[in-house]
Amino acid sequence: EVQLVESGGGLVQPGRSLKLSCAASGFTFGDYAMHWVRQAPGKGLEWVSGISWDSGSIAYVDSVKGRFTISRDNAKNSQYLQMNSLRPEDTAFYYCAKGRQRFGELVPFDYWGQGTLVTVSS
Amino acid sequence: DIQLTQSPSSLSASVGDRVTITCRASQTISSYLNWYQQKPGKAPKLLVYAASSLQSGVPSRFSGSGSGTDFSLSISSLQPEDFATYYCQQSYSYPRTFGQGTKVEFK
Repeated sequence: EVQLVESGGGLVQPGRSLKLSCAASGFTFGDYAMHWVRQAPGKGLEWVSGISWDSGSIAYVDSVKGRFTISRDNAKNSQYLQMNSLRPEDTAFYYCAKGRQRFGELVPFDYWGQGTLVTVSS
Repeated sequence: DIQLTQSPSSLSASVGDRVTITCRASQTISSYLNWYQQKPGKAPKLLVYAASSLQSGVPSRFSGSGSGTDFSLSISSLQPEDFATYYCQQSYSYPRTFGQGTKVEFK
């Protein structure tokens, strides 16, 4: 059974940093692209960042470029999102999501974690 | 960036109704269009990928169609568990983008 479990969320002051983790199980993690998607309370979905199976391709939404860094450790079946210079508008549930196809890039997200809440406030 | 515009933003329907949601892309995305269902407090669930392929385990009352810039998701006979918010998403290019969502409510 595929499982994605996010951790690391919490309350943080503007300008500070936070690192999210996503622990994966139930599939060959190193074969799949992974993504982070966020959702502000009561709002729609926003894709944040994605990383290919081999970390060779990485992308971000413009609003987090230069502040957030995605990474993965295939030996630990985990991906991460380092978030620096956090802003109140980064407040959201952050979901870890798995690409549907082995080694695929132009693919949907077939499994999602339960989400972790990041609140940026003084 | 590719913009996705869903319509309607919300709709009221009854059990047994046929429901159709449309999604228009700001530029051609071939068939790289996916549909998700989200219920309150839950993570999104993939329903349809590549415009018209049903994800494993999704009931056959759900169907998707379209290519290029115009797409639709249909539910042939609405069931009580289908009341939720639906999002389209493109996987054609980065940044991946979602539509604003369509909330399906009980009439």
